Amino acid sequence: GESVGLHLPTLSVQEGDNSIINCAYSNSASDYFIWYKQESGKGPQFIIDIRSNMDKRQGQRVTVLLNKTVKHLSLQIAATQPGDSAVYFCAENSGSARQLTFGSGTQLTVLP
Amino acid sequence: DGGITQSPKYLFRKEGQNVTLSCEQNLNHDAMYWYRQDPGQGLRLIYYSQIVNDFQKGDIAEGYSVSREKKESFPLTVTSAQKNPTAFYLCASSIQGSTEAFFGQGTRLTVV
Repeated sequence: GESVGLHLPTLSVQEGDNSIINCAYSNSASDYFIWYKQESGKGPQFIIDIRSNMDKRQGQRVTVLLNKTVKHLSLQIAATQPGDSAVYFCAENSGSARQLTFGSGTQLTVLP
Repeated sequence: DGGITQSPKYLFRKEGQNVTLSCEQNLNHDAMYWYRQDPGQGLRLIYYSQIVNDFQKGDIAEGYSVSREKKESFPLTVTSAQKNPTAFYLCASSIQGSTEAFFGQGTRLTVV
């Protein structure tokens, strides 16, 4: 079946630096790609999404880039803060009911 | 406050028993979902419902059952047929067709 995966399971960055979290996908038919943040013991929170006909979208301190040629998605977090420490999931939105297919996640740790 | 509420937060079950996890939302969302999350892994879809009195199996429905008698409620029953039920269960809801799913805080089920 189709899958969504991540390049690295863990990422450590210094506070104040920029973070880049990568994700590879295989389903070319997906309409949307979404990034979620999950803090320990909590449910995922929506961060930002991008439609498949776009290549870049910016939010507050976050930017998502989509490269359909190589089926690659990335989340950039500017000026990373301690509160950004969490697991980040990419997901693709597919199917008639718009259910999400999640990758396995990247644990982001912000170092003081 | 609008939101999605799961209860209980922690649940212990003896082998061979059925157990029901509660999920309630007051966001007036049509679509609701149940996901299972195992340690270090992404979310896998168990069941989803687009409308009252209708639901479909997700990727790992075996050993689970759901009902959708009310728009606000989507309870999940973990039956004795589920061979490895210990996991973190997440319920979500969304506006039909939206990419943004709102998650509850999860129920951690442990079989003892």
